[in-house]
Amino acid sequence: DIQMTQSPSTLSASVGDRVTITCRASQYISSWLAWYQQKPGKAPKLLIYKASSLESGVPSRFSGSGSGTEFTLTISSLQPDDFATYYCQQYNGYPRTFGQGTKVEIE
Amino acid sequence: EVQLVESGGGLVQPGGSLRLSCAASGFTFSSYWMTWVRQAPGKGLEWVANIKQDGSEKYFVDSVKGRFTISRDNARNSLYLQMNSLRAEDTAVYYCARDPVFGSGWSYYFDYWGQGILVTVSS
Repeated sequence: DIQMTQSPSTLSASVGDRVTITCRASQYISSWLAWYQQKPGKAPKLLIYKASSLESGVPSRFSGSGSGTEFTLTISSLQPDDFATYYCQQYNGYPRTFGQGTKVEIE
Repeated sequence: EVQLVESGGGLVQPGGSLRLSCAASGFTFSSYWMTWVRQAPGKGLEWVANIKQDGSEKYFVDSVKGRFTISRDNARNSLYLQMNSLRAEDTAVYYCARDPVFGSGWSYYFDYWGQGILVTVSS
């Protein structure tokens, strides 16, 4: 199985901060990576696919980069609505696997 | 508008069975891969299983192989997850989710999700 490791597990930040979350794959996955945002009691929401493609309707302050085994999700200027948990997911092989999540908290 | 609505969850004893359903609307259900993802209380997301448009391909995470079955009824726009020999560790919110690509031969990520349904396995 492809293991996905996110860092950090928790991140404390303030409104307006630039935030970066890292996701590492245990083997090569090309650009077959998606990012999701999840708020408590809600279903995940797709943010980024194919490592760097922004899903329609997602604010441009979200961006993704990377390929191979190392990927990042960046929020250029953190907004109040962005406090949530973020997950990466690989779709290069089976089983599909998610990172353990990164919780973005208010500092 | 794409909608996915799960049903069939609840409390079941260890060793018991449960069948989850996901009613789809707002898109051509028969043209998309569909997936089940679960989330144990306070934990992260875990991919469970998926099924190709015509049901000809199905994939499962190892922890449910031989116990869970995924199926679909394209005439009824419905996805199912039959869960047998349930264990305490199967306790989770179960989400159905749609793949983004119409008519694809490959499953990718998930662009639409249901609201989730809670399954609790406990005596």
